[in-house]
Amino acid sequence: DAKTTQPPSMDCAEGRAANLPCNHSTISGNEYVYWYRQIHSQGPQYIIHGLKNNETNEMASLIITEDRKSSTLILPHATLRDTAVYYCIVRASGAGSYQLTFGKGTKLSVIP
Amino acid sequence: NAGVTQTPKFRILKIGQSMTLQCAQDMNHNYMYWYRQDPGMGLKLIYYSVGAGITDKGEVPNGYNVSRSTTEDFPLRLELAAPSQTSVYFCASTASGAQGTEAFFGQGTRLTVV
Repeated sequence: DAKTTQPPSMDCAEGRAANLPCNHSTISGNEYVYWYRQIHSQGPQYIIHGLKNNETNEMASLIITEDRKSSTLILPHATLRDTAVYYCIVRASGAGSYQLTFGKGTKLSVIP
Repeated sequence: NAGVTQTPKFRILKIGQSMTLQCAQDMNHNYMYWYRQDPGMGLKLIYYSVGAGITDKGEVPNGYNVSRSTTEDFPLRLELAAPSQTSVYFCASTASGAQGTEAFFGQGTRLTVV
């Protein structure tokens, strides 16, 4: 699976949009981008995933650049409950590739 | 639905002792996983299973064993516990291995080996 690079930490004011970047410059054509988050040492929680098109769900939006070498997770109106470690994960397709490889992620602190 | 349930939540073991971490899911998922998370680090895959009777090693399998006799349960066995196994252990499940399948995680078991 391709390696991802994320900033170790970010701050965001409550009510503002949180934009979390992820670099995955070695991503290959069959690899998907996933985002999970982990709140205060709980089990990780799925947020969103995508291949090449931008995606949106009730939690967040995922913007993937045209060359697919980077992506941004957007939390449109951050709340204090969004304070967590956010993991950007690239996962290949095919047999034996359903494991998720977690890096250190970005610690997002939402400030009142 | 309870989702993925792990027991116990906390445990202290002495060096050389053994224990089994329990994991059960009620979503009829075929795929189950065990991860460990050391302080300040991401999760690392220990073992996984694609169905009852089928298991395989992940990135860090040494010192652990698993079995999968039913769809619901995926216990993780620690033999001869060592301080290096002090960690938080997470069990997860997915309906399949297809892309877009959401992984559901348990709340973790915090293990300390002294």
